[in-house]
Amino acid sequence: DIMMTQSPLSLPVTPGEPASISCRCSGRHLQRNGYYYLDWYLQKPGQSPQLLIYLGSNRASGVPDRFSGSGSGTDFTLQISRVEAEDVGVYYCMQTLQTPHTFGQGTRLEIK
Amino acid sequence: QVQLVESGGGVVQPGRSLRLSCAASGFTFNTYGMQWVRQTPGKGLEWLALIWFDGSNEAYADPVKGRFTISRDNSKNTLYLQMNSLRAEDTAVYYCARYYGDYGGRTYGMDVWGQGTTVIVSS
Repeated sequence: DIMMTQSPLSLPVTPGEPASISCRCSGRHLQRNGYYYLDWYLQKPGQSPQLLIYLGSNRASGVPDRFSGSGSGTDFTLQISRVEAEDVGVYYCMQTLQTPHTFGQGTRLEIK
Repeated sequence: QVQLVESGGGVVQPGRSLRLSCAASGFTFNTYGMQWVRQTPGKGLEWLALIWFDGSNEAYADPVKGRFTISRDNSKNTLYLQMNSLRAEDTAVYYCARYYGDYGGRTYGMDVWGQGTTVIVSS
């Protein structure tokens, strides 16, 4: 199975400042046919997860443009250009290159 | 509106079975693949299973392979998860989610999630 490792696991951020979360895949490139099979989700407190980014860099419908996904090979990044209070929660990456799909362990973003 | 509603959770003894349902509404169910994801108390997300839009293909995570079965009834717009031989470590909130996959093998993320249903395995 492909193992996904996120860092940091905890991320305190001042509102208005940028934030970055890393997701690394164990020993397997997530690229196939020109696409990166990596999605990002946010689970806000008390809510179901919501899709932020799919196929590495595509924002889901309704996701603010302060969120962006990038990366290649085995290393991917979710960036928030200016953190807002509503961005608190746990962020997860998930690979969909092969089954079983696997999530990272999650990164908890909190407001300073 | 587009909605997924899970049901069927509850308290069950180890070794027993339970079937979860996920009722879909507000979209053309038979054009979307579906997945189950669970979250153990205080822990992260764990992918469990997926099924193609037409039910022709399924895949499972290792911890549930051979014990859980994903299925769908497109005439009823409903997804199922049959869970057998339940263990204490299956205690979790279970979410269903839809995804769109194309014939090129690309998947466009799980863009709609249910609210979750809680399963507690305890004697």
